Amino acid sequence: AQTVTQSQPEMSVQEAETVTLSCTYDTSESNYYLFWYKQPPSRQMILVIRQEAYKQQNATENRFSVNFQKAAKSFSLKISDSQLGDTAMYFCAFMKMGRRDDKIIFGKGTRLHILP
Amino acid sequence: AAGVIQSPRHLIKEKRETATLKCYPIPRHDTVYWYQQGPGQDPQFLISFYEKMQSDKGSIPDRFSAQQFSDYHSELNMSSLELGDSALYFCASSFGTTSYEQYFGPGTRLTVT
Repeated sequence: AQTVTQSQPEMSVQEAETVTLSCTYDTSESNYYLFWYKQPPSRQMILVIRQEAYKQQNATENRFSVNFQKAAKSFSLKISDSQLGDTAMYFCAFMKMGRRDDKIIFGKGTRLHILP
Repeated sequence: AAGVIQSPRHLIKEKRETATLKCYPIPRHDTVYWYQQGPGQDPQFLISFYEKMQSDKGSIPDRFSAQQFSDYHSELNMSSLELGDSALYFCASSFGTTSYEQYFGPGTRLTVT
């Protein structure tokens, strides 16, 4: 069974600073996807970034980037130039690659506060 | 762009009552997933459907049933509701081989009193 662990329940940073959210996972699969989802106070689930395990290059989406260490089973999210609108719960998530077993497994989440 | 539609957005039921949650996937999407997010919890997978057939099943109580219809919309039926069923229920949809792109709906907030 796959597990996703987020060791930081809550974090606070000042606006414009850089913050890194940690995530580790456990799986015996060799092909899979990793995600970071954002859940603001509206409770909408928003995909922030996706990483395919077979890709060595770390994914980047504007101010969001990941540090994917496959051997260490680590998948951290870096938010640069943080903004007040980044305040949200962030979930690290895992999904096996392949049809018929494509449910998303979420970590417990990290609540991020961006302070003015 | 069209998004996943869930109805109702809010639902209040009493214990032992029945609830039906509806999900309308993005047009052309053929796969629907249901997730349950309890208060302060992470979303947990319940069940999924691909081309109107059950595809995968998670920790869904026997009191819950779901199906996907010919127009690809899906309904989650919940009977004998318990206080612990109070949660945010998400529906997500994806298309065929690109299931790594699951688009989440806004959720239905179910409160059981």
